[in-house]
Amino acid sequence: AAGVIQSPRHLIKEKRETATLKCYPIPRHDTVYWYQQGPGQDPQFLISFYEKMQSDKGSIPDRFSAQQFSDYHSELNMSSLELGDSALYFCASSLAAGGTDTQYFGPGTRLTVL
Amino acid sequence: DQQVKQNSPSLSVQEGRISILNCDYTNSMFDYFLWYKKYPAEGPTFLISISSIKDKNEDGRFTVFLNKSAKHLSLHIVPSQPGDSAVYFCAASKASGAGSYQLTFGKGTKLSVIP
Repeated sequence: AAGVIQSPRHLIKEKRETATLKCYPIPRHDTVYWYQQGPGQDPQFLISFYEKMQSDKGSIPDRFSAQQFSDYHSELNMSSLELGDSALYFCASSLAAGGTDTQYFGPGTRLTVL
Repeated sequence: DQQVKQNSPSLSVQEGRISILNCDYTNSMFDYFLWYKKYPAEGPTFLISISSIKDKNEDGRFTVFLNKSAKHLSLHIVPSQPGDSAVYFCAASKASGAGSYQLTFGKGTKLSVIP
């Protein structure tokens, strides 16, 4: 079965640079979520989109923005990168109309800021 | 404040025995609970879930129990296998926007199944 695809898998950036992370949800899923997991931490919710509209916002810095496109893929844009942004970034997708809240996660993008 | 708590950072179990992972939550608005298994450098893999209207859900070797009055859930793995060794995250869900159900995770429990 098709899973959530994230690219790139690894990304190394310098401080103050920008980064773009991409997420391709499971086909026919209509909701995309972004989570950030720091070292030794649990995943923290950043932002979600339902049917291409921002649905909810968590602890996402103002330097970050995201959007969901017409083909349902999503991109997380991160500007003015800081050392503390180094983390695993997960995308998850779900089918809101499916009657359950089950989110399926991608493999993650490991961002390292030097 | 930690709304979902997994108080045991680690658990070791002999192969073939039962593994019991516990989770407590504080927010009464949570209405759906999930368990994820995670290997290092990989994304969380969905294992099993339970709605707040049920008290038990079973899927093969995995059973989740929910005690709403105690705000407690547990994951039972029987029999435990070495391949079950991983970090297990408890997550709780509540509606947070149109079509969106934000997950709140516990800190995880590292399960080691000893052959």
